[in-house]
Amino acid sequence: GIQVEQSPPDLILQEGANSTLRCNFSDSVNNLQWFHQNPWGQLINLFYIPSGTKQNGRLSATTVATERYSLLYISSSQTTDSGVYFCAATNDYKLSFGAGTTVTVRA
Amino acid sequence: DTEVTQTPKHLVMGMTNKKSLKCEQHMGHRAMYWYKQKAKKPPELMFVYSYEKLSINESVPSRFSPECPNSSLLNLHLHALQPEDSALYLCASSPGQGHGYTFGSGTRLTVV
Repeated sequence: GIQVEQSPPDLILQEGANSTLRCNFSDSVNNLQWFHQNPWGQLINLFYIPSGTKQNGRLSATTVATERYSLLYISSSQTTDSGVYFCAATNDYKLSFGAGTTVTVRA
Repeated sequence: DTEVTQTPKHLVMGMTNKKSLKCEQHMGHRAMYWYKQKAKKPPELMFVYSYEKLSINESVPSRFSPECPNSSLLNLHLHALQPEDSALYLCASSPGQGHGYTFGSGTRLTVV
């Protein structure tokens, strides 16, 4: 299956700061997703982005498929952005997850 | 309906018990998945059902038995579990290959 690596493992932000999370993957993909896992375990889909750029409010994502990486941007961070962010990718039915980035936003 | 519904949300079971986890979606998705997530780890794939047939079993012990009664339902039957099987069990669905997955909110299982 696809190998997925995320960086950094941990990120501490002051409220209002901007940040970039990175995801590297080992092979071509037909599915790449960014998820936010809340403290109750719910995996919330942020973006389905095997290539290109998307934006949703303060969040945006870019995937450069030819170079096998994806970036998630968080702008004007809020305390509610805290949690674990996962990148996951596949080129078949086995969606593989990276180890995640734990984001802590301080007021 | 754009949700995957999992029941129960919490389950405590003894090592000799038999229980089942249930997952339901009404989005017309033809692929459904079970994932297991231990604390502070990413989700790990257990099973994939495609068009109601088991297509991937990631070498999961036989004490976990999946079942897909129809295209909307996915069950996970549990028997003789060990305390190390305590985890968050997540169900997901997708239209097929090359499409996004939608995850349920999970069942938090504790084996005592």
